[in-house]
Amino acid sequence: EDQVTQSPEALRLQEGESSSLNCSYTVSGLRGLFWYRQDPGKGPEFLFTLYSAGEEKEKERLKATLTKKESFLHITAPKPEDSATYLCAVQAKGSSNTGKLIFGQGTTLQVKP
Amino acid sequence: DTAVSQTPKYLVTQMGNDKSIKCEQNLGHDTMYWYKQDSKKFLKIMFSYNNKELIINETVPNRFSPKSPDKAHLNLHINSLELGDSAVYFCASSQDFGGGLAKNIQYFGAGTRLSVL
Repeated sequence: EDQVTQSPEALRLQEGESSSLNCSYTVSGLRGLFWYRQDPGKGPEFLFTLYSAGEEKEKERLKATLTKKESFLHITAPKPEDSATYLCAVQAKGSSNTGKLIFGQGTTLQVKP
Repeated sequence: DTAVSQTPKYLVTQMGNDKSIKCEQNLGHDTMYWYKQDSKKFLKIMFSYNNKELIINETVPNRFSPKSPDKAHLNLHINSLELGDSAVYFCASSQDFGGGLAKNIQYFGAGTRLSVL
């Protein structure tokens, strides 16, 4: 069964303290991996799409990387405004005719000033 | 202009009632989705439609019925509401559901928080 697991469940950082969030996946062939950010009371907001192992994408203080079994979201020198829940989702090759995404349970990040 | 808008934002109702949630997108997308997010933030697909045609129909009680009058709208009707239906329901849309992966990027509404008492 296709599955996505994120760790840690919650992460507290001091402003400027860099860290990484993990997304491990088990799918029958990966078509793509997506990272989203969700603020309290709002819908998920798209951050990145990664297609193949070795790929990296960056946006401001965030960098997403992908291997054959997991993805990391690296946060460099985070600021309080980076506090949010970060969701990882995968699309399996078998879902290429439906667009179905399988989400992990998210990592809630709190950055203290 | 809100790209994907849902109404209402909050819905409080009694067990056994019937309720609807509406969703509209102005992105010109062909595909729309309904998700349920439980108290642990786990987001699970329920349905998707492409240009008014049902594409995904996950294992969801048949008390839930989606309706797509046109490709810009996807509504969710829930009959005989139960306590376990309490959750946040998200609507999303994407340019397409197949083809290039970039077309599958899903854009979400702000959610409807349903509380069944």
